[in-house]
Amino acid sequence: EPEVTQTPSHQVTQMGQEVILRCVPISNHLYFYWYRQILGQKVEFLVSFYNNEISEKSEIFDDQFSVERPDGSNFTLKIRSTKLEDSAMYFCASKRSGGAANTGELFFGEGSRLTVL
Amino acid sequence: GESVGLHLPTLSVQEGDNSIINCAYSNSASDYFIWYKQESGKGPQFIIDIRSNMDKRQGQRVTVLLNKTVKHLSLQIAATQPGDSAVYFCAEIHRGESGGYQKVTFGIGTKLQVIP
Repeated sequence: EPEVTQTPSHQVTQMGQEVILRCVPISNHLYFYWYRQILGQKVEFLVSFYNNEISEKSEIFDDQFSVERPDGSNFTLKIRSTKLEDSAMYFCASKRSGGAANTGELFFGEGSRLTVL
Repeated sequence: GESVGLHLPTLSVQEGDNSIINCAYSNSASDYFIWYKQESGKGPQFIIDIRSNMDKRQGQRVTVLLNKTVKHLSLQIAATQPGDSAVYFCAEIHRGESGGYQKVTFGIGTKLQVIP
């Protein structure tokens, strides 16, 4: 069964360091997302990406964050200068289609846990 | 100071009993809803979905009910099993500013504990 894969599973970093979280979405999917979940809290939308550009982003997704699809298979989330409050589980998700015929089914990866010290 | 995580509502049910998990959504413009299951340390997993032009949809052992009047969604799990123990999130889908069905907003979640 196709799945979304994420690396690393856990990253520990010092405050102020740059972090790149990587995701390989399902191969025939067109829409890509990053979500985060702070421990014990709900899953929060960060950004959606389609056709090589950001289509939607939340207020959490400030200038410290960026996303990229560098090579047609990977989808990365970069945090330029990490803060303590960036510690969370980051989930990548992908979806095959969008628009009026959208099924809405997002396939999530297992998550990358980021710990900022 | 240190932020405190939300205290998740918890539902404890006996194995074999039916479970009902409730969710209130916020956006009256949402036209698509999904229930996700999240096991400890894993990503959310799709369970069942429902469009806003429906009020009930059934899957295998699961039923979703939608009441748009009061913006309420429920998930019923029949004959609950130990493997059903997880956190269950409802999610509402609505058009983002770009016009596409791209924004998924999750609820807080309910922790289901199945007692063997």
